[in-house]
Amino acid sequence: ETGVTQSPTHLIKTRGQQVTLRCSSQSGHNTVSWYQQALGQGPQFIFQYYREEENGRGNFPPRFSGLQFPNYSSELNVNALELDDSALYLCASSLGLGRSQETQYFGPGTRLLVL
Amino acid sequence: DAKTTQPPSMDCAEGRAANLPCNHSTISGNEYVYWYRQIHSQGPQYIIHGLKNNETNEMASLIITEDRKSSTLILPHATLRDTAVYYCIALSFQGGSEKLVFGKGTKLTVNP
Repeated sequence: ETGVTQSPTHLIKTRGQQVTLRCSSQSGHNTVSWYQQALGQGPQFIFQYYREEENGRGNFPPRFSGLQFPNYSSELNVNALELDDSALYLCASSLGLGRSQETQYFGPGTRLLVL
Repeated sequence: DAKTTQPPSMDCAEGRAANLPCNHSTISGNEYVYWYRQIHSQGPQYIIHGLKNNETNEMASLIITEDRKSSTLILPHATLRDTAVYYCIALSFQGGSEKLVFGKGTKLTVNP
């Protein structure tokens, strides 16, 4: 167990809807990264939050947005859902000191199905 | 970040050592080699990482060649629970966002 929790575990939405996924980081970690994993593929980096600020973004459209709260928990929001957004969404937390090796620890993921 | 190359699949007998290779011929001097594994539909699990020297922890050993162009993850006594997809990642820490770039990994099957 990594101490990283995600909710909900599973979710079903329809095209055009909006969804919010939540992540609680490991105690003491101030950095949260979000990844999308389509079936049969490796996880793809969406973005990272460090001390409540976005700190890098992957190749995802603006309808993917996020927040990090003062307690370092985080949300991933996806607007105007498309069928291709169906995937396992993973968050990972780390102690982001920025200049030294900081391992990312993953949560169990949220499985999103868009119909 | 350097690209890594891994075989798509490997088999290992239970109780034997599993040796998973990874090529990272374009790795730069400040890039670490990280290994994660993912058991079916769970979140990736951190295994081990290293820069130049060989590393060992309670889960595995990591052997990095002297020229750092390849590495091997060793699971000394594989069990059925080690069946998973193993990802080798070259990661640099430059004060910016440290994203993990996953490939397709190696599907390790441990057979009874």
